[in-house]
Amino acid sequence: EAAVTQSPRNKVTVTGGNVTLSCRQTNSHNYMYWYRQDTGHGLRLIHYSYGAGNLQIGDVPDGYKATRTTQEDFFLLLELASPSQTSLYFCASSGPRVNSGNTLYFGEGSRLIVV
Amino acid sequence: GDSVIQMQGQVTLSENDFLFINCTYSTTGYPTLFWYVQYSGEGPQLLLQVTTANNKGSSRGFEATYDKGTTSFHLQKTSVQEIDSAVYYCAMRDPGYQNFYFGKGTSLTVIP
Repeated sequence: EAAVTQSPRNKVTVTGGNVTLSCRQTNSHNYMYWYRQDTGHGLRLIHYSYGAGNLQIGDVPDGYKATRTTQEDFFLLLELASPSQTSLYFCASSGPRVNSGNTLYFGEGSRLIVV
Repeated sequence: GDSVIQMQGQVTLSENDFLFINCTYSTTGYPTLFWYVQYSGEGPQLLLQVTTANNKGSSRGFEATYDKGTTSFHLQKTSVQEIDSAVYYCAMRDPGYQNFYFGKGTSLTVIP
């Protein structure tokens, strides 16, 4: 069974604070993704990666940095957190080949509140 | 550009009612289409994958169909139950860019 683990599951920080969300996958997948989920917007892609050391910009990257240190680990960094970044964040992984039936496997989410 | 549009934001049904959710997509390639379900407090999980070759898929009583002519795909279930209450997302993967595009989700509430 594919596994994606996120930490922390819940985080409260102050405006201007520094936050790192961690994600580890044990699926041997090449692709990893960070999404945010907000009411009325669904899932929006922040950053993604094709492999260790690779980083691609998603649809809503402003205010976020990401780093892929290994094939297993993908981090999302908020260096100056703002209240607009209060959200539920999901990490996901997938294999590279569409025709092999690979799909997205999601973690359980990290809820971030910026006060 | 690539996009998926899912218009139905909230749907409320009674048990044994018929469910139908529609999405449209836009892309220049031949995408793979998915339906994900998200139960309260959990991450989204795959419900169905719809390949262009078959034009349909089925799982857990749900059936997905795909119409290449109208670039639309649908999720349906003949008789919903309370346990089907969840958020349903349609999604598309463009093989050219290996990325996933999601609709905004449909929140289904089934009243017993």
